[in-house]
Amino acid sequence: KNQVEQSPQSLIILEGKNCTLQCNYTVSPFSNLRWYKQDTGRGPVSLTIMTFSENTKSNGRYTATLDADTKQSSLHITASQLSDSASYICVVGEYNAGNMLTFGGGTRLMVKP
Amino acid sequence: DAGVIQSPRHEVTEMGQEVTLRCKPISGHDYLFWYRQTMMRGLELLIYFNNNVPIDDSGMPEDRFSAKMPNASFSTLKIQPSEPRDSAVYFCASSRSGGYNEQFFGPGTRLTVL
Repeated sequence: KNQVEQSPQSLIILEGKNCTLQCNYTVSPFSNLRWYKQDTGRGPVSLTIMTFSENTKSNGRYTATLDADTKQSSLHITASQLSDSASYICVVGEYNAGNMLTFGGGTRLMVKP
Repeated sequence: DAGVIQSPRHEVTEMGQEVTLRCKPISGHDYLFWYRQTMMRGLELLIYFNNNVPIDDSGMPEDRFSAKMPNASFSTLKIQPSEPRDSAVYFCASSRSGGYNEQFFGPGTRLTVL
């Protein structure tokens, strides 16, 4: 069964600090991996999308990495801001499965002043 | 573009009542998805359409749930009769075929069934 596991479930950091969120998946055959940010009361918004051949992709202060061999991904947030407080969801697409995605449970990040 | 539009944003109803959630996808997108999100189970795909045709409804929990897409710019998710365990946030998302098929989510409808 395709699964996406995220850790930690929740995280509290001080403003200005860096943090790294982890994602492990068992989706096969792999097509792509996405990181979404979901603010409270809103729908998820895509941060990055990576395919098999991409090791890293950045979007401002967000940098995602992908190791397709170990089936692991991470999302690194640099110089955190209060607005980074949100849930971060790792999502994996299956090859030739059209638009079927497998969602992780998310990491809830709180950035404190 | 206005993005994916959902209505209502909040719905409170009593057990046994019919509930209809509405979605307008982004113009030009040929895929439409309905998701449900709860604290316990996270985001779950309920059903998705391609060119207005339901492709996979294996995530629809029971016969009480039904979804339609009469045209490319409108879809509904109906629950009849509603039960307290249906309380959740329901999201609609749309995407364009090709490329990464990136899905764009609406703001969601928070449903509370008393």
